[in-house]
Amino acid sequence: EVQLVESGGGLVQPGGSLRLSCAASGFTFSSYWMSWVRQAPGKGLEWVANIKQDGSEKYYVDSVKGRFTISRDNAKNSLYLQMNSLRAEDTAVYYCARVASSSSKGSYYFDYWGQGTLVTVSS
Amino acid sequence: SYELTQPPSVSVSPGQTARITCSGDALPKKYAYWYQQKSGQAPVLVIYEDSKRPSGIPERFSGSSSGTMATLTISGAQVEDEADYYCYSTDSSGNHRGVFGGGTKLTVL
Repeated sequence: EVQLVESGGGLVQPGGSLRLSCAASGFTFSSYWMSWVRQAPGKGLEWVANIKQDGSEKYYVDSVKGRFTISRDNAKNSLYLQMNSLRAEDTAVYYCARVASSSSKGSYYFDYWGQGTLVTVSS
Repeated sequence: SYELTQPPSVSVSPGQTARITCSGDALPKKYAYWYQQKSGQAPVLVIYEDSKRPSGIPERFSGSSSGTMATLTISGAQVEDEADYYCYSTDSSGNHRGVFGGGTKLTVL
């Protein structure tokens, strides 16, 4: 059974840093792209970042470029999101998600999600 | 930046057909996907590649796409289908960006 378990959320002051972790099990972690998706309180879903199987390619939504870094440790079956220079608008539940590819049309989507971890940026 | 547009809300009575639309300029080139999110829970994939249904998703859920519009149809909506529904697709500009629609609140009462 595929399981994704996020941790590391909490309350942080504006300008501060936080590192989220996602522990994966039930599948061959090193064979999949992985993503972070977030959801601000009462708002919709927002894709945040993707990382390739070997970590050689990473992509970010414009609003977090230069502040957030996605990484992974395939030996530990773990995905990470280092968040620096946090802003109030980064307050959200952050979900770890496994990426599935649609070979034709070059699309990708998220087939499994964790339960999320809440990040609150406030003074 | 690329956007997907959904109606904020749709309301039907139990047993009726609910249709939720999603419009986006890249949909002729990219697949649409649909997620169901119930209150306090993680999203669940209900339709992938425009019209395919994952295992475990009831047959009353179906999807279609034509031109710049994708549609999620729930035939004979049940009270338990009340949830937020999000369409999702990828940018066609080659930048690997994922994009969600703003979400549609489906009320079944």
